[in-house]
Amino acid sequence: EIVLTQSPGTLSLSPGERATLSCRASQRISSSYLAWYQQKPGQAPRLLIFGASNRATGTPDRFSGSGSGTDFTLTISRLEPEDFGTYYCQQYGSSPPYTFGQGTKLEIK
Amino acid sequence: QVQLQESGPGLVKPSETLSLTCTVSGGSISHYYWSWIRQPPGKGLEWLGYVIYSGSTNYSPSLKSRVTISVDTSKNQFSLNMTSVTAADTAVYYCARVKSAWHHCFDYWGQGTLVTVSS
Repeated sequence: EIVLTQSPGTLSLSPGERATLSCRASQRISSSYLAWYQQKPGQAPRLLIFGASNRATGTPDRFSGSGSGTDFTLTISRLEPEDFGTYYCQQYGSSPPYTFGQGTKLEIK
Repeated sequence: QVQLQESGPGLVKPSETLSLTCTVSGGSISHYYWSWIRQPPGKGLEWLGYVIYSGSTNYSPSLKSRVTISVDTSKNQFSLNMTSVTAADTAVYYCARVKSAWHHCFDYWGQGTLVTVSS
């Protein structure tokens, strides 16, 4: 089973700033099969990025994903108030089980 | 617009079976994979398994002995059964659509339903 470790656990930033979230895998993720989700309290997660760098339908272009192998990054270029929440990475490159990181909470400074 | 809605009991007794159904609207259940994912209160996400519209399944090894996922294409529904539940199975349970045969991430989600295991 591939373990995903996200850092930092909490990120405190102000609107307009740049956010960089990290996701590190315990083994190489084949074909960059990594996704990013945003979750707000009381809501289901929302798919933002798939295939490490492809924006899902409706994802604003201030969100970008990068990385390969074991190290992946989600970058939000200029934070908007609605971007605050918890972000999860998920790998689906190996045979199941598909696994999620423990999450990074992005909060307003 | 595809929509998913979970339904089922919100309270299950220890050692009993948890049963949930996900109803898909706004699109056909055919030609996609469908998953169950859970989230204990205040914690992260755990993938439980998926069912293909044909009925084939794949489960998380840690839960494989207790979980069954099935599909009813005539009703556009799929279901989760989890046997011998304990308090550790208390969680919000989400149903979700797998994006594609290549990208097994989840592009549509239900709102989630809280299932509490307690006597």
